[in-house]
Amino acid sequence: QVQLVESGGGVVQPGRSLRLSCAASGFTFSSYAMHWVRQAPGKGPEWVAVILYDGTNKYYADSVKGRFTISRDNSKNTLYLQMNSLRGDDTAVYYCASGKVQWLVFDYWGQGTLVTVSS
Amino acid sequence: DIQMTQSPSTLSASVGDRVTITCRASQSISDWLAWYQQKPGKAPKLLIYKASSLDSGVPSRFSGSGSGTEFTLTISSLQPDDFATYYCQQYNSYSPLTFGGGTKVEIK
Repeated sequence: QVQLVESGGGVVQPGRSLRLSCAASGFTFSSYAMHWVRQAPGKGPEWVAVILYDGTNKYYADSVKGRFTISRDNSKNTLYLQMNSLRGDDTAVYYCASGKVQWLVFDYWGQGTLVTVSS
Repeated sequence: DIQMTQSPSTLSASVGDRVTITCRASQSISDWLAWYQQKPGKAPKLLIYKASSLDSGVPSRFSGSGSGTEFTLTISSLQPDDFATYYCQQYNSYSPLTFGGGTKVEIK
Protein backbone atom coordinates (compact mmCIF):
# COMPACT_ATOMS: atom_id res chain seq x y z
CA GLN A 1 0.00 0.00 0.00
CA VAL A 2 1.10 3.56 -0.64
CA GLN A 3 2.81 5.19 2.31
CA LEU A 4 4.21 8.71 2.59
CA VAL A 5 6.04 9.70 5.76
CA GLU A 6 7.17 13.27 6.33
CA SER A 7 9.89 14.33 8.75
CA GLY A 8 12.01 17.35 9.58
CA GLY A 9 9.46 19.73 11.04
CA GLY A 10 9.99 21.70 14.22
CA VAL A 11 10.29 25.16 15.72
CA VAL A 12 12.56 27.57 13.86
CA GLN A 13 13.30 31.27 14.20
CA PRO A 14 12.27 33.73 11.48
CA GLY A 15 14.89 34.02 8.75
CA ARG A 16 16.32 30.54 9.40
CA SER A 17 16.16 27.42 7.24
CA LEU A 18 14.66 23.95 7.52
CA ARG A 19 14.59 20.90 5.26
CA LEU A 20 11.63 18.56 5.14
CA SER A 21 11.78 15.00 3.85
CA CYS A 22 9.09 12.62 2.64
CA ALA A 23 9.86 8.90 2.41
CA ALA A 24 7.68 7.08 -0.11
CA SER A 25 6.89 3.40 -0.40
CA GLY A 26 4.31 1.08 -1.95
CA PHE A 27 4.42 2.54 -5.46
CA THR A 28 6.88 3.34 -8.24
CA PHE A 29 8.02 6.69 -6.85
CA SER A 30 10.14 7.56 -9.88
CA SER A 31 7.09 7.46 -12.19
CA TYR A 32 4.98 10.17 -10.60
CA ALA A 33 4.86 13.85 -9.83
CA MET A 34 5.05 14.77 -6.16
CA HIS A 35 3.73 17.80 -4.28
CA TRP A 36 4.08 19.70 -1.04
CA VAL A 37 0.85 21.12 0.36
CA ARG A 38 0.62 23.07 3.62
CA GLN A 39 -2.17 23.97 5.97
CA ALA A 40 -1.92 26.79 8.49
CA PRO A 41 -3.76 26.30 11.80
CA GLY A 42 -7.50 26.63 11.26
CA LYS A 43 -7.13 27.32 7.53
CA GLY A 44 -7.67 25.41 4.33
CA PRO A 45 -4.93 23.64 2.38
CA GLU A 46 -2.49 25.67 0.28
CA TRP A 47 -0.46 24.13 -2.52
CA VAL A 48 3.26 24.88 -2.20
CA ALA A 49 5.19 23.15 -5.00
CA VAL A 50 5.27 20.26 -7.46
CA ILE A 51 8.13 18.35 -9.05
CA LEU A 52 7.71 16.12 -12.08
CA TYR A 53 8.61 12.44 -11.99
CA ASP A 54 12.17 12.91 -13.18
CA GLY A 55 12.87 16.18 -11.39
CA THR A 56 13.27 18.16 -14.59
CA ASN A 57 10.39 20.56 -13.98
CA LYS A 58 9.34 22.26 -10.77
CA TYR A 59 6.59 24.78 -10.10
CA TYR A 60 5.96 26.91 -7.02
CA ALA A 61 3.31 29.04 -5.38
CA ASP A 62 4.19 32.73 -5.51
CA SER A 63 4.23 32.83 -1.69
CA VAL A 64 7.32 30.56 -1.57
CA LYS A 65 9.00 31.21 -4.91
CA GLY A 66 12.67 32.12 -4.43
CA ARG A 67 12.67 30.88 -0.82
CA PHE A 68 11.68 27.20 -1.06
CA THR A 69 13.17 24.48 -3.28
CA ILE A 70 11.52 21.16 -4.03
CA SER A 71 13.73 18.23 -5.02
CA ARG A 72 13.68 14.45 -5.15
CA ASP A 73 16.04 11.50 -5.02
CA ASN A 74 14.46 8.68 -6.96
CA SER A 75 17.20 6.27 -5.86
CA LYS A 76 16.07 6.82 -2.26
CA ASN A 77 12.33 7.20 -2.95
CA THR A 78 12.47 10.50 -1.10
CA LEU A 79 11.02 13.96 -1.70
CA TYR A 80 12.50 17.09 -0.12
CA LEU A 81 11.52 20.67 0.60
CA GLN A 82 14.32 23.09 1.42
CA MET A 83 12.81 26.11 3.15
CA ASN A 84 14.94 29.25 3.50
CA SER A 85 14.19 32.73 4.87
CA LEU A 86 11.29 31.37 6.88
CA ARG A 87 8.56 33.76 7.99
CA GLY A 88 5.77 33.57 10.53
CA ASP A 89 3.17 32.96 7.83
CA ASP A 90 5.02 29.80 6.82
CA THR A 91 3.80 28.21 10.07
CA ALA A 92 1.72 25.21 9.02
CA VAL A 93 1.44 21.47 8.80
CA TYR A 94 3.34 20.45 5.68
CA TYR A 95 2.10 17.43 3.75
CA CYS A 96 3.70 15.60 0.87
CA ALA A 97 1.25 14.19 -1.65
CA SER A 98 1.49 12.11 -4.79
CA GLY A 99 0.03 12.92 -8.18
CA LYS A 100 -0.62 9.39 -9.43
CA VAL A 101 -4.16 9.45 -10.75
CA GLN A 102 -3.51 12.82 -12.43
CA TRP A 103 -0.32 14.79 -11.88
CA LEU A 104 -2.03 17.88 -10.49
CA VAL A 105 -4.38 15.95 -8.16
CA PHE A 106 -3.30 14.94 -4.65
CA ASP A 107 -4.31 11.29 -4.40
CA TYR A 108 -2.16 10.04 -1.50
CA TRP A 109 -1.05 12.16 1.44
CA GLY A 110 1.38 11.75 4.29
CA GLN A 111 0.44 12.40 7.90
CA GLY A 112 2.07 15.83 7.83
CA THR A 113 4.88 17.51 9.77
CA LEU A 114 4.38 20.73 11.74
CA VAL A 115 6.64 23.70 11.06
CA THR A 116 6.41 26.56 13.54
CA VAL A 117 8.25 29.78 12.75
CA SER A 118 8.62 31.81 15.91
CA SER A 119 11.23 33.75 17.82
CA ASP B 1 -4.90 33.17 -9.95
CA ILE B 2 -8.12 31.18 -10.28
CA GLN B 3 -10.30 31.78 -7.21
CA MET B 4 -12.49 28.96 -5.93
CA THR B 5 -15.59 29.84 -3.89
CA GLN B 6 -17.49 27.20 -1.96
CA SER B 7 -20.97 27.43 -0.50
CA PRO B 8 -22.22 27.06 2.08
CA SER B 9 -19.30 27.44 4.46
CA THR B 10 -21.18 25.37 7.06
CA LEU B 11 -23.98 22.91 6.56
CA SER B 12 -26.05 21.21 9.27
CA ALA B 13 -27.61 17.92 8.26
CA SER B 14 -28.90 14.64 9.64
CA VAL B 15 -27.92 11.06 8.88
CA GLY B 16 -29.75 9.98 5.73
CA ASP B 17 -30.04 13.49 4.29
CA ARG B 18 -29.06 14.31 0.72
CA VAL B 19 -26.34 16.96 0.85
CA THR B 20 -25.09 19.23 -1.93
CA ILE B 21 -22.02 21.46 -1.82
CA THR B 22 -21.30 24.02 -4.54
CA CYS B 23 -17.93 25.21 -5.83
CA ARG B 24 -17.57 28.11 -8.27
CA ALA B 25 -14.44 29.04 -10.21
CA SER B 26 -13.54 32.62 -11.11
CA GLN B 27 -12.94 31.49 -14.71
CA SER B 28 -13.62 28.39 -16.72
CA ILE B 29 -11.62 25.36 -15.62
CA SER B 30 -13.30 22.81 -17.95
CA ASP B 31 -13.67 19.73 -15.73
CA TRP B 32 -10.31 20.01 -13.99
CA LEU B 33 -11.74 19.87 -10.49
CA ALA B 34 -11.16 17.61 -7.49
CA TRP B 35 -12.98 17.18 -4.18
CA TYR B 36 -11.40 16.23 -0.86
CA GLN B 37 -12.73 15.26 2.56
CA GLN B 38 -10.81 16.21 5.69
CA LYS B 39 -11.39 15.17 9.29
CA PRO B 40 -9.83 16.98 12.27
CA GLY B 41 -6.13 16.23 12.71
CA LYS B 42 -5.96 14.20 9.50
CA ALA B 43 -4.72 14.81 5.98
CA PRO B 44 -7.30 15.49 3.28
CA LYS B 45 -8.54 12.47 1.36
CA LEU B 46 -9.25 12.52 -2.37
CA LEU B 47 -12.87 11.73 -3.22
CA ILE B 48 -13.40 12.84 -6.81
CA TYR B 49 -11.21 14.07 -9.67
CA LYS B 50 -11.99 15.38 -13.15
CA ALA B 51 -15.23 16.73 -11.72
CA SER B 52 -17.07 13.41 -11.64
CA SER B 53 -14.60 10.51 -11.45
CA LEU B 54 -14.79 8.67 -8.13
CA ASP B 55 -11.40 7.77 -6.67
CA SER B 56 -10.75 4.13 -5.89
CA GLY B 57 -12.50 2.91 -2.74
CA VAL B 58 -14.73 5.96 -2.32
CA PRO B 59 -18.36 5.00 -1.54
CA SER B 60 -20.83 5.44 -4.38
CA ARG B 61 -23.02 7.77 -2.28
CA PHE B 62 -20.50 10.48 -3.25
CA SER B 63 -20.88 12.01 -6.69
CA GLY B 64 -19.61 15.06 -8.50
CA SER B 65 -20.89 17.06 -11.44
CA GLY B 66 -20.35 20.27 -13.35
CA SER B 67 -18.03 21.90 -15.84
CA GLY B 68 -16.81 25.34 -16.71
CA THR B 69 -17.27 27.44 -13.59
CA GLU B 70 -19.91 25.66 -11.50
CA PHE B 71 -19.53 22.31 -9.76
CA THR B 72 -21.34 20.28 -7.13
CA LEU B 73 -20.46 17.52 -4.72
CA THR B 74 -23.46 15.44 -3.64
CA ILE B 75 -23.72 12.92 -0.84
CA SER B 76 -26.86 10.93 -1.59
CA SER B 77 -27.49 9.66 1.96
CA LEU B 78 -25.31 11.18 4.66
CA GLN B 79 -23.60 8.65 6.92
CA PRO B 80 -22.02 9.23 10.37
CA ASP B 81 -18.53 8.91 8.85
CA ASP B 82 -19.27 11.78 6.42
CA PHE B 83 -19.28 14.57 9.00
CA ALA B 84 -16.13 16.43 7.96
CA THR B 85 -14.89 19.43 6.00
CA TYR B 86 -14.92 19.27 2.21
CA TYR B 87 -12.67 21.20 -0.17
CA CYS B 88 -12.70 21.66 -3.91
CA GLN B 89 -9.47 22.19 -5.85
CA GLN B 90 -8.94 23.39 -9.41
CA TYR B 91 -6.12 22.07 -11.57
CA ASN B 92 -6.81 23.81 -14.84
CA SER B 93 -3.73 25.88 -14.08
CA TYR B 94 -0.77 24.94 -11.88
CA SER B 95 0.12 28.59 -11.56
CA PRO B 96 -1.05 28.13 -8.87
CA LEU B 97 -3.21 25.16 -7.90
CA THR B 98 -5.96 26.55 -5.68
CA PHE B 99 -8.49 25.26 -3.14
CA GLY B 100 -11.90 26.50 -2.12
CA GLY B 101 -12.46 27.81 1.38
CA GLY B 102 -14.09 24.62 2.60
CA THR B 103 -17.55 23.44 3.67
CA LYS B 104 -17.96 21.98 7.13
CA VAL B 105 -20.73 19.38 7.34
CA GLU B 106 -22.05 19.25 10.89
CA ILE B 107 -24.56 17.10 12.70
CA LYS B 108 -27.97 18.76 12.92
